Amino acid sequence: LAKTTQPISMDSYEGQEVNITCSHNNIATNDYITWYQQFPSQGPRFIIQGYKTKVTNEVASLFIPADRKSSTLSLPRVSLSDTAVYYCLARMNTGFQKLVFGTGTRLLVSP
Amino acid sequence: EPEVTQTPSHQVTQMGQEVILRCVPISNHLYFYWYRQILGQKVEFLVSFYNNEISEKSEIFDDQFSVERPDGSNFTLKIRSTKLEDSAMYFCASRARLAGDGDTQYFGPGTRLTVL
Repeated sequence: LAKTTQPISMDSYEGQEVNITCSHNNIATNDYITWYQQFPSQGPRFIIQGYKTKVTNEVASLFIPADRKSSTLSLPRVSLSDTAVYYCLARMNTGFQKLVFGTGTRLLVSP
Repeated sequence: EPEVTQTPSHQVTQMGQEVILRCVPISNHLYFYWYRQILGQKVEFLVSFYNNEISEKSEIFDDQFSVERPDGSNFTLKIRSTKLEDSAMYFCASRARLAGDGDTQYFGPGTRLTVL
């Protein structure tokens, strides 16, 4: 069964940089890796998407190594409002379930 | 800003009953998805739909499930005979282009289904 795994939780303080890594060993060769943010009782919200190397937008950066077996979401200076669950989403190469969300990382930002 | 909408926000049903969850994707989008999230667990892919047919489905999407785009705006998920384990949040999402073009899925707010 294809899996994407993430750390269960992370703690941080306001103003710090947070890096969350997702492991996706069997990722499909021709698809993007996407990261989402989810608040309680809401749908996932798009953060950033990339295929290879590094992508940066106004809220985050995404680092993807050449083998694409992992990706790292970087939040540069977190605030209290960044407390949420973060998921990676990738299309996997094996198994019945093609589109696979990561296990999710619960980020808690403290003052 | 255009958004995906879903109705109802909460649906309560008895085991064995049929339910239809409704979604209105973003108007110029071509690809549509259903996901579910059991309370406290991760989001799970159910099915994707393009050009009026299913393009991919997961092992969760068995014969009890079906999807339909009955008109130009709605996208529905039907569960024929609900089971207790179908209780979850169901999210609809839509996308303008294929992922290989660098596009993204936009998610609705979800429908909470409770099966008693």
